[in-house]
Amino acid sequence: SQQGEEDPQALSIQEGENATMNCSYKTSINNLQWYRQNSGRGLVHLILIRSNEREKHSGRLRVTLDTSKKSSSLLITASRAADTASYFCATGPDVDTGKLIFGQGTTLQVKP
Amino acid sequence: KAGVTQTPRYLIKTRGQQVTLSCSPISGHRSVSWYQQTPGQGLQFLFEYFSETQRNKGNFPGRFSGRQFSNSRSEMNVSTLELGDSALYLCASSPDGPLETQYFGPGTRLTVL
Repeated sequence: SQQGEEDPQALSIQEGENATMNCSYKTSINNLQWYRQNSGRGLVHLILIRSNEREKHSGRLRVTLDTSKKSSSLLITASRAADTASYFCATGPDVDTGKLIFGQGTTLQVKP
Repeated sequence: KAGVTQTPRYLIKTRGQQVTLSCSPISGHRSVSWYQQTPGQGLQFLFEYFSETQRNKGNFPGRFSGRQFSNSRSEMNVSTLELGDSALYLCASSPDGPLETQYFGPGTRLTVL
């Protein structure tokens, strides 16, 4: 079963605008990761945020985590056409199994 | 360091055949996981290997199997292929433990006709 659920499923914005994607999950987590996937290719790791962290930055990316609401958000500022991709949140890896559980993803289109 | 590599990148097979996919992790990484990605089911965990031992397996039939070699390279085998096995198969590696970031390869696109 899917642990993470992303919202919205699809997002279309103009270059230069900010994009916000949300992820909700169901059970307690050790950490949460965000990945990007370009057009059916491999996943690129963006950010890992641990359960005791509330916010993390990496370049134009900002991730927040609210464990009380079991939710996380990914903000991409000043978007570029190259940011067009699918974005997935994944909970885990599980301490015992090493398993990541992925959401269905948000498809982001950035129009030039 | 070189990233995770997967071979072949594309594969076309017919129903009933079997297939073997290969994954070479980042140098020094001992954990390798496999995932299946389809439009309908999304990304689903197949299995994870660490130091040549399978630590966990997802909810896939026994037709899906894997192994890991002493150099941490891993192979995944699917026997008696079905149309529904058409998918992007991704492997990911991490250094030592499951709490570390997993790095993904480009995937193998398998089409079953």
